[in-house]
Amino acid sequence: KQEVTQIPAALSVPEGENLVLNCSFTDSAIYNLQWFRQDPGKGLTSLLLIQSSQREQTSGRLNASLDKSSGRSTLYIAASQPGDSATYLCAVRLEGNKLVFGAGTILRVKS
Amino acid sequence: DAMVIQNPRYQVTQFGKPVTLSCSQTLNHNVMYWYQQKSSQAPKLLFHYYDKDFNNEADTPDNFQSRRPNTSFCFLDIRSPGLGDAAMYLCATSVFSNEQFFGPGTRLTVL
Repeated sequence: KQEVTQIPAALSVPEGENLVLNCSFTDSAIYNLQWFRQDPGKGLTSLLLIQSSQREQTSGRLNASLDKSSGRSTLYIAASQPGDSATYLCAVRLEGNKLVFGAGTILRVKS
Repeated sequence: DAMVIQNPRYQVTQFGKPVTLSCSQTLNHNVMYWYQQKSSQAPKLLFHYYDKDFNNEADTPDNFQSRRPNTSFCFLDIRSPGLGDAAMYLCATSVFSNEQFFGPGTRLTVL
């Protein structure tokens, strides 16, 4: 059974700092990995999707990497801003269109 | 803007009183999903429609049903809500097995 773990569970950083969020999964048989952002009481916003054949994807200040063989992904956020404060979730896609999510990392960027 | 819309955003029901949540999309995506997210937990897939084909997760309770009358709309029916069904319900769409796009969610309260 695929399990997805995110470390740390919560993170508080000062504005301007670069930071890394970690995601690990137990079964490397994935089709892709997607990073999401969730603001309190809201739905999920897709940030980046990495196909299983890819190593990384970039969007603005965000960079996500994928090492499928070791079952790991990282989300790098450069020059963090208070507006980046949210919960960040990673999810792996399995056969049959199923996404398995991690529990998320709660990020707080202090001004 | 093309989007995923969920109505209502907040729903209050009584224990055992049937309730229906609605999802519509203007993205013309062929796959629609329903997730349940309890407080501080990861979203959990309940079921999805791949075109007209319904795919139920093995551990989804029989109390939960779904309908997809056309490409644009999908409904989640909870036949007899219990206190444990209080959660955020998230609808998502995708083109085949690609990136999933989420709606804002419906928060269900069961009294």
